Amino acid sequence: GEDVEQSLFLSVREGDSSVINCTYTDSSSTYLYWYKQEPGAGLQLLTYIFSNMDMKQDQRLTVLLNKKDKHLSLRIADTQTGDSAIYFCAESMGSGNTGKLIFGQGTTLQVKP
Amino acid sequence: DGGITQSPKYLFRKEGQNVTLSCEQNLNHDAMYWYRQDPGQGLRLIYYSQIVNDFQKGDIAEGYSVSREKKESFPLTVTSAQKNPTAFYLCASSILAGGGNEQFFGPGTRLTVL
Repeated sequence: GEDVEQSLFLSVREGDSSVINCTYTDSSSTYLYWYKQEPGAGLQLLTYIFSNMDMKQDQRLTVLLNKKDKHLSLRIADTQTGDSAIYFCAESMGSGNTGKLIFGQGTTLQVKP
Repeated sequence: DGGITQSPKYLFRKEGQNVTLSCEQNLNHDAMYWYRQDPGQGLRLIYYSQIVNDFQKGDIAEGYSVSREKKESFPLTVTSAQKNPTAFYLCASSILAGGGNEQFFGPGTRLTVL
């Protein structure tokens, strides 16, 4: 079945780069997403990548996709204390267009000043 | 302002009571979803609906019920059959056409059973 795995915790110093990793199992996924959740709030879409792309850059965010290894990463350059949050990766289910997403368990990013 | 709203933000319930969580969207989205989030866990899908008057069970539907009488509304009822209802509940919506499946989330409702 479909599964998405993430490491649970990452701690970095302000100004460093953060790299959050994710692996997924459904090779037919069409889109892969990164969401951010601040404490007590809903999820905010940060960026997404189509499965036929290797890389996507959006300001401080860089998404890398290795489709062969089913590995997705999110790099945040010049990490700020405001980036402290939980980051979820998600894949769209490939079979049919049901709209369902499969989410990882989330990576808590702690940014130390 | 387009968006998705949930109410209330905090909800307290006594054991044995049913309670209904509201979710409304004015984005003209076809699909709507309910997730449950527990500490240290990802989002688990409770129910989803792709079209008015139709909905499907997600991974953890037991003890919950939904209705989709209007495109913009997808209320979730947490029944007394739900064994451990204390959690953070998130509603989302998406356009199905085009295949993007990007889901927009509401701010969430935190339910506590006393």
